[in-house]
Order: sequence, then structure tokens, then C-alpha cells
Amino acid sequence: DVKVTQSSRYLVKRTGEKVFLECVQDMDHENMFWYRQDPGLGLRLIYFSYDVKMKEKGDIPEGYSVSREKKERFSLILESASTNQTSMYLCASSLYGGSNQPQHFGDGTRLSIL
Amino acid sequence: SQQGEEDPQALSIQEGENATMNCSYKTSINNLQWYRQNSGRGLVHLILIRSNEREKHSGRLRVTLDTSKKSSSLLITASRAADTASYFCATPLSNDYKLSFGAGTTVTVRA
Repeated sequence: DVKVTQSSRYLVKRTGEKVFLECVQDMDHENMFWYRQDPGLGLRLIYFSYDVKMKEKGDIPEGYSVSREKKERFSLILESASTNQTSMYLCASSLYGGSNQPQHFGDGTRLSIL
Repeated sequence: SQQGEEDPQALSIQEGENATMNCSYKTSINNLQWYRQNSGRGLVHLILIRSNEREKHSGRLRVTLDTSKKSSSLLITASRAADTASYFCATPLSNDYKLSFGAGTTVTVRA
């Protein structure tokens, strides 16, 4: 079974802090994704990566950056955290390119910015 | 850019009953996926149906796809308390890697 592990289940940070969310997958998947999930809005794609060091913006990249130095690890960075970035963050991976691939999700990080 | 939309937003049923939820989407697709999310957890992939398929089964799940109406339905038969979760449909955005998820249907199965 694919395992996608997010480093923290809950995180509390202060406005202006630089925040790192880490995600690791153990199945040699090429694609990795970061979403945020807010009530009533569903999942919104922040960034995704289709290969090491490759990334593309999703629907809401403003205020975020990502890093993928190794195939198994995809990091989401909040450059200067703001209260409107309080949300549930979900990482996912899929085997290879194409929208017909199932995505495998981690259990999420519930991030609160005070 | 939300492509799919689930209906109803919430559903409450008795254990043993069937639960049906629908997904409508806007543009032509070559496949559609359904996911489940238990409270406080990540999404779990349930089933993928391709555009040339009308119906697909997996255990107690039955998914239909009507490309002429741009809609899909997910039926859970003989529901159990463990089926209490939110269910999402996901549709491709153009022909690339990305999926668009709806806001989900929250299903509560009462004992």
C-alpha cells in the first residue's frame, strides 16, 4: 500500500513566521501535490510537482512556495504566514502523469496561524 | 477552477439503507474518480470510471457515468456506520495531471 506521510497533524504558528510542511511518499511516485481544504470550498490545488526539482502552480499559489529536492519528498513553504492561511493542508502523490491516476493522500496537517 | 459539484451537500440515512449522491461537471472528461474522506483524515480513492463506461461496481459501491448529461452518481448499498464520511468526485482539468474536486457530500449513517 502507498503511504503518504505528513510531518505534523496539527501545527500552530504566528503571523509572519516562515512555515514548512513536509510530505514523504514511499512508492516512488513521480507526481506530488499540495492542496488546502476549507469548509464549503473543497480541495484547492496550491502546487504540484511532476519530477524532482520540477513544479507547477496550481489554482492558489500566492503566498506559498514548494521544494522537491528528492523524489520522495515534497515540501510546502509559507513564506510569511498570515491568518488567512489557517487551513487543512493535504499532500498527495500519484504514480505517473495523467489525470486517470488515483491520487494517494496523507492524513493532512491542520495549520493554525495566530 | 472547480469543475465538479456534488449534490446533496449532506445526507443522513439509517444503517442498512442505500445512499445516493450525484456529481455534475462542466466540460467533457475522459474519466471521473470518487474519493472518501473520514473525519480528520486524508482522502481515499474509491473508484475510477472512464468515459466509455456507463457503470462500474466495487463491493457495495456502484458508480454510473452519463457523459451526455455530464453527471455521475455514487450509490452505497446496505450502508454501515463505517460509511459515515464525506464523498468527493474528481474530474480532470484539461488533459494534464490535475484533478478538480468538488466540495463533497457529507454522509451520516445512523445506527
